[in-house]
Amino acid sequence: EVQLVESGGGLVQPGRSLKLSCAASGFTFSNYYMAWVRQAPKKGLEWVATISTSGSRTYYPDSVKGRFTISRDNAKSSLYLQMNSLKSEDTATYYCARLSFNYGSYDYWGQGVMVTVSS
Amino acid sequence: AIVLNQSPSSIIASQGEKVTITCRASSSISSNYLHWYQQKPGAFPKLVIYSTSYRASGVPSRFSGSGSGTSYSFTISRVEAEDVATYYCQQGSSNPFTFGSGTKLEIK
Repeated sequence: EVQLVESGGGLVQPGRSLKLSCAASGFTFSNYYMAWVRQAPKKGLEWVATISTSGSRTYYPDSVKGRFTISRDNAKSSLYLQMNSLKSEDTATYYCARLSFNYGSYDYWGQGVMVTVSS
Repeated sequence: AIVLNQSPSSIIASQGEKVTITCRASSSISSNYLHWYQQKPGAFPKLVIYSTSYRASGVPSRFSGSGSGTSYSFTISRVEAEDVATYYCQQGSSNPFTFGSGTKLEIK
């Protein structure tokens, strides 16, 4: 059974940093692109970052580029999101998601972890 | 970025009713790259339809999708109480991968 379990969320002050983790199991982690998708309270879904199978390629939207860094450790089947210079608008539930082989769909999601940026 | 305009933003339907959600893209997308998700209250999103019309594993046959180019639709043939959720379209054609704004389905 595919499982994605996020951790590392919490309350953080504006301008500070936080690192999220996602532990994957039930599939060959190194074979899949992985991503982070977030959802602000009562809002829709927003893609945050994607990483290739080896970790050599990463992609970000302009809203987080230069502040967030996605990485992975295939030996540990783990995905990470380093978030720096956090802003109040980064407040959201962050989901770890697996990119399927089917044309850019996210076929498995974690349960999400809440990040609150507030003083 | 490709913008996905979803409509309506909310639907109130009776059990057994047919409901259809529309997703219009700002640029043409290959149908292979248009997907639909269901997010039940308090839960994470779940892939229900991929590549326009293919049901994900375990998804009931009352869920279907169609479309091409810039216009896509998602249909529940006979709504059940368990279908209460927000539904999102998503394109995986070009970065940034984008989502529609969502359609909230409620039952009368």
